[in-house]
Amino acid sequence: SQQGEEDPQALSIQEGENATMNCSYKTSINNLQWYRQNSGRGLVHLILIRSNEREKHSGRLRVTLDTSKKSSSLLITASRAADTASYFCATDEDTGRRARTFGSGTRLQVQP
Amino acid sequence: ETGVTQTPRHLVMGMTNKKSLKCEQHLGHNAMYWYKQSAKKPLELMFVYSLEERVENNSVPSRFSPECPNSSHLFLHLHTLQPEDSALYLCASSQVAGTSGANVLTFGAGSRLTVL
Repeated sequence: SQQGEEDPQALSIQEGENATMNCSYKTSINNLQWYRQNSGRGLVHLILIRSNEREKHSGRLRVTLDTSKKSSSLLITASRAADTASYFCATDEDTGRRARTFGSGTRLQVQP
Repeated sequence: ETGVTQTPRHLVMGMTNKKSLKCEQHLGHNAMYWYKQSAKKPLELMFVYSLEERVENNSVPSRFSPECPNSSHLFLHLHTLQPEDSALYLCASSQVAGTSGANVLTFGAGSRLTVL
């Protein structure tokens, strides 16, 4: 399957609730990034976590990384309607290539 | 504005047409990328120009032809496309600093292509 695969594919929550999205990957990585995409627009970088880090925070975002399970999670706390978007994780392939491999994303809908 | 500009934003073309997508970055980055985004599919990396090296996805049909005349400009030339090529084409740039660097991508807003 695709490197950097997100789960769930879609998530609908109420404003104020927390949203958790997961990402799994297959090969070893140097770092993992999360991006956000509003409908029909380009992706915007949110946060990066390196392979020697286990947790990272940025505002209402919390990212964890478990290299033994080859998985990461993105938690958005106290969600807002403006958080409605698709969220993607991206990994680097540990082969010297510099490109990013993305999954299909998680579509988050935050109901006001 | 992200510093990566794509034109046109929307393009409708017939299968016999020849057109080009343009991408320009004003960030001083040394790598540029083309991605294809189709509905309910993962983003597909098409081409990478990084430190004067071109890397391509071997599954990309030859009807897509990239051109990178300098580190700030990237083109995707399109000819004899098929309806299944209709998608959002995203350009991105990054500053590459070694294979273990962060390599954060900055994306343009995309070019929505419809092939009739």
